[in-house]
Amino acid sequence: DAGVIQSPRHEVTEMGQEVTLRCKPISGHDYLFWYRQTMMRGLELLIYFNNNVPIDDSGMPEDRFSAKMPNASFSTLKIQPSEPRDSAVYFCASSSRDRSSYEQYFGPGTRLTVT
Amino acid sequence: AQSVTQLGSHVSVSEGALVLLRCNYSSSVPPYLFWYVQYPNQGLQLLLKYTSAATLVKGINGFEAEFKKSETSFHLTKPSAHMSDAAEYFCAVNGGATNKLIFGTGTLLAVQP
Repeated sequence: DAGVIQSPRHEVTEMGQEVTLRCKPISGHDYLFWYRQTMMRGLELLIYFNNNVPIDDSGMPEDRFSAKMPNASFSTLKIQPSEPRDSAVYFCASSSRDRSSYEQYFGPGTRLTVT
Repeated sequence: AQSVTQLGSHVSVSEGALVLLRCNYSSSVPPYLFWYVQYPNQGLQLLLKYTSAATLVKGINGFEAEFKKSETSFHLTKPSAHMSDAAEYFCAVNGGATNKLIFGTGTLLAVQP
């Protein structure tokens, strides 16, 4: 299996621009998670989906952030407009409904820099 | 509610010395516990997991952890540190009835030659 795939790996953009991060979960996994990691705040859960439906978006920082999962193999996290404080590494992770484990598999992350 | 506390945001050991990274948890349901490792510029990788079977869990790269219910602990150990073990380590507990994981704040392990 290819694991969780994220693109792009690096994104540099100017303040005010729209940013779209992409994620392909592991085939057969029905949970998908978006995290943000910064030095100041550590690892934060932004939102997660089950069977393509958003379950908990309480970690989304503000309305500038939105996430979608149009099908079982693709999700996007969009920031519009972007701000310098959005600079972080964004991770996508997926897991299976198999409750015997709960383990999540992480992608390599997208390092976002907003100037 | 579920939570984890990692004692020590930075730990430094000498190469060949014992590694001990501490994790205490709080859970209102039988816990599933995890240790993840993050190498520089990489995603988190599962080291080991406790899923209510054996209390001593062995993971990759010579790491192991012991589940102690009486102490609500799940400390990570390795008998002999290697330079390649330098990384950040995260403890996590399942978030109740969902597949959500609650992560600790991480412990950065430095290995001195």
